[in-house]
Amino acid sequence: DQQVKQNSPSLSVQEGRISILNCDYTNSMFDYFLWYKKYPAEGPTFLISISSIKDKNEDGRFTVFLNKSAKHLSLHIVPSQPGDSAVYFCAASAGQVEYGNKLVFGAGTILRVKS
Amino acid sequence: DVKVTQSSRYLVKRTGEKVFLECVQDMDHENMFWYRQDPGLGLRLIYFSYDVKMKEKGDIPEGYSVSREKKERFSLILESASTNQTSMYLCASSILGPGGSEAFFGQGTRLTVV
Repeated sequence: DQQVKQNSPSLSVQEGRISILNCDYTNSMFDYFLWYKKYPAEGPTFLISISSIKDKNEDGRFTVFLNKSAKHLSLHIVPSQPGDSAVYFCAASAGQVEYGNKLVFGAGTILRVKS
Repeated sequence: DVKVTQSSRYLVKRTGEKVFLECVQDMDHENMFWYRQDPGLGLRLIYFSYDVKMKEKGDIPEGYSVSREKKERFSLILESASTNQTSMYLCASSILGPGGSEAFFGQGTRLTVV
């Protein structure tokens, strides 16, 4: 039973356009959400996060939107660049200390930005 | 610069061997995690630990065990390696606290069991 779902295995976008990556979750205990980027043969690197008390968080070209009622979040990359081509993972955790801040990941979306 | 270091980038082991994957972090983080990454399945949590000598099973603990004798070190043990444990293994660490926090990952160990 996947608690974090990324339903699009891949996405192809033209350089300069917007990339939108989507993520859905089922566990209502999740209250902290993160996006990671991963290049082949490297570990994932943290991109951006959002707490459940917010509905938007922006960092440069990256914006994450959270819709708690729909249990949905999305990552927007504007403008997309060829160097953004990577696998993007959505992750969620329950912030309560007794859960150990365990991170649950989705299956990932491969983003290809064409120049 | 924060660092999570995994002892090997690539490993090839034989079926039935006992395999140790080592991970060290220098950030004084309480949490440490072991994930495996497989195509189409994302990162699946094997085990995690939120304190020395403490461990919790993740989603796929079967065939694995862990050891955390010191805060900075978290070892993953494959008791008897099998071909279905061929995968990319990723170690991560994070601080423990209310509200959640980002995890920092090592570079990964590509394990092949033949």
